Amino acid sequence: DTGVSQDPRHKITKRGQNVTFRCDPISEHNRLYWYRQTLGQGPEFLTYFQNEAQLEKSRLLSDRFSAERPKGSFSTLEIQRTEQGDSAMYLCASRQSTSGIDTQYFGPGTRLTVL
Amino acid sequence: AQSVSQHNHHVILSEAASLELGCNYSYGGTVNLFWYVQYPGQHLQLLLKYFSGDPLVKGIKGFEAEFIKSKFSFNLRKPSVQWSDTAEYFCAVNEGLTGGGNKLTFGTGTQLKVEL
Repeated sequence: DTGVSQDPRHKITKRGQNVTFRCDPISEHNRLYWYRQTLGQGPEFLTYFQNEAQLEKSRLLSDRFSAERPKGSFSTLEIQRTEQGDSAMYLCASRQSTSGIDTQYFGPGTRLTVL
Repeated sequence: AQSVSQHNHHVILSEAASLELGCNYSYGGTVNLFWYVQYPGQHLQLLLKYFSGDPLVKGIKGFEAEFIKSKFSFNLRKPSVQWSDTAEYFCAVNEGLTGGGNKLTFGTGTQLKVEL
């Protein structure tokens, strides 16, 4: 399967701990997006990359959040000093920006629970 | 800033009933419009999309949606639903001309349950 993959699928952590999630986009997709989805809501944009450059960050992305895409392939999203309000599903999506069809393909998500 | 409204949060239908899910967006410029579906235990999948041209777009599994620019709407329809259509449906929009645009703005979703 060559879809978007995310690891881990589930993460339970204690408040104050740091967590890191990984996203592997579809091969050759040069745009990668992170979204956050809480219960009863649609996904909310966090940030996106074109190749290794982080081009936009949402105001939802506080200083405790950092994302990287060092080689323009996989990406990581780190949350430092987690809070209970960080509990959510973190979704990754990718697309090929040169395509005339602006479709984002989503991964299965990482469900974070902060105790 | 863009916003997307889905007014039906929960819909329950019997098999073979017709479906229409409402979606309205607020943005005055050119938009690209999407419907995504999330089946239980699965990830978000694209149902259909509109970029330009014919405002009536057809997607997978018999779904269609109509873009009405004057009403800022992009409602999803299906003439006859099946039990397997039970899922959560999200309307989304991004700015830009065809092939452009970046982040998606999603509605809050509509949970559809189809009963046998």
